[in-house]
Amino acid sequence: NAGVTQTPKFQVLKTGQSMTLQCAQDMNHEYMSWYRQDPGMGLRLIHYSVGAGITDQGEVPNGYNVSRSTTEDFPLRLLSAAPSQTSVYFCASRTGQGFDQPQHFGDGTRLSIL
Amino acid sequence: GQQVMQIPQYQHVQEGEDFTTYCNSSTTLSNIQWYKQRPGGHPVFLIQLVKSGEVKKQKRLTFQFGEAKKNSSLHITATQTTDVGTYFCAGRSPGGYQKVTFGTGTKLQVIP
Repeated sequence: NAGVTQTPKFQVLKTGQSMTLQCAQDMNHEYMSWYRQDPGMGLRLIHYSVGAGITDQGEVPNGYNVSRSTTEDFPLRLLSAAPSQTSVYFCASRTGQGFDQPQHFGDGTRLSIL
Repeated sequence: GQQVMQIPQYQHVQEGEDFTTYCNSSTTLSNIQWYKQRPGGHPVFLIQLVKSGEVKKQKRLTFQFGEAKKNSSLHITATQTTDVGTYFCAGRSPGGYQKVTFGTGTKLQVIP
C-alpha cells in the first residue's frame, strides 16, 4: 500500500495564480483532511471530509476549496494564491470507525507564493 | 474555539538527558493523541490516551493524561539522537466529532 500520496512535493506560485494540491489514499479511509503547518503554530485544519460527497470547514478555510467525488481523492484548491498561503500542506486520512482513530499523513506539499 | 498549547516550543538537550513536553487545552478533551514529526517529514502517530489520569509507556517514552483531561505530557528518558523531531499533541473535544485540534508542537534537538 502507498498510504497517503500528495502531489506535487514542491510548488512555487505567483500571487493571484490558482492551483490544485492533490491527495490520494489507498486505504479505503472515509475521513480525509487538509492541514497547513506554519512555524510555531502547529497543524491547523483547513477542510475535512467524512466521506464521498461530504465536506466541511476547519479552522482556516478562507481561500481554499475542496471536493470529494471519490473515497480515494481529496484535492485542495487555492483559488487566488496569496503570500499568506505560503506553508507546508499535509493531507491526512483515517478510518471512519469511531472518532479517535489515528490519522495517516502524506509527505506534504511545500508551497511558496511570491 | 478550542486551543491547545504546548511548552516549551523548543528544547535542546544533551544526549542521555531527559526531556518533557507539556500539552494544555483550553477545554476538556475526550482523548489526546501524540505524534512525532522528524525533520523534513510528516507527523507519525505515536499513541492515544483516553482515560482520566491514564499513563502509557513505550520503551523510553511515558505519556500521561491529566485527571481533568485538559492536559497531557510526554516524557523521554535518556534521550537519543533518534528522538530528534517535533512532538505534537492532538485532542478532540466531547462532541467535537470529526475535528481534532493539534498543539503548537515542541521541537527537540539532541546534542550528541
